[in-house]
Amino acid sequence: DTGVSQNPRHKITKRGQNVTFRCDPISEHNRLYWYRQTLGQGPEFLTYFQNEAQLEKSRLLSDRFSAERPKGSFSTLEIQRTEQGDSAMYLCASSLTNRGPSNEKLFFGSGTQLSVL
Amino acid sequence: AQSVSQHNHHVILSEAASLELGCNYSYGGTVNLFWYVQYPGQHLQLLLKYFSGDPLVKGIKGFEAEFIKSKFSFNLRKPSVQWSDTAEYFCAVFNQAGTALIFGKGTTLSVSS
Repeated sequence: DTGVSQNPRHKITKRGQNVTFRCDPISEHNRLYWYRQTLGQGPEFLTYFQNEAQLEKSRLLSDRFSAERPKGSFSTLEIQRTEQGDSAMYLCASSLTNRGPSNEKLFFGSGTQLSVL
Repeated sequence: AQSVSQHNHHVILSEAASLELGCNYSYGGTVNLFWYVQYPGQHLQLLLKYFSGDPLVKGIKGFEAEFIKSKFSFNLRKPSVQWSDTAEYFCAVFNQAGTALIFGKGTTLSVSS
């Protein structure tokens, strides 16, 4: 499968614990995005990387959240001291952008469903 | 900041009925508009997109959308829906900086056979 891969598919954790999710984008895609989606809402932008550089972060990304893409390939999203309000589907997407955003098609993974008890 | 409004939260149709899902965006400059679909149990995938040129855009599976700049709208249409079109549909627009895709809240379409 050459699509965007996310692990784990599901994560159940207790409030206050730290969790880490992984995203493997489509090979050679230079942009990688993280989104969060809750029930009845559309995906909300969290952050994006151009290669290994994190170029934008949403106000939704509190200081408990950190994302990395160390070698410009896979990415991790860590949430420290999880809260019940962090329960959501965390989506990763990637794209290949050579000509700016106007021709950008995002390929999404299946997401990681986080449940904080 | 850009925003996207989808007016219909849940639409229920019978097979062969025509479909129109509303989408309005807030930004008045150059826009790049998208419709994404999420079938049950599957990931989000692109239906169609508009960047410039012909305001009537055709996508996969018989879907089309019309960009009407004066109305800030990008409504999705399909002349005859099928049971397999049951899914959640999201309208999206790139933010001004072109760095993030902003999604609407989505419309759930249920098609009965």
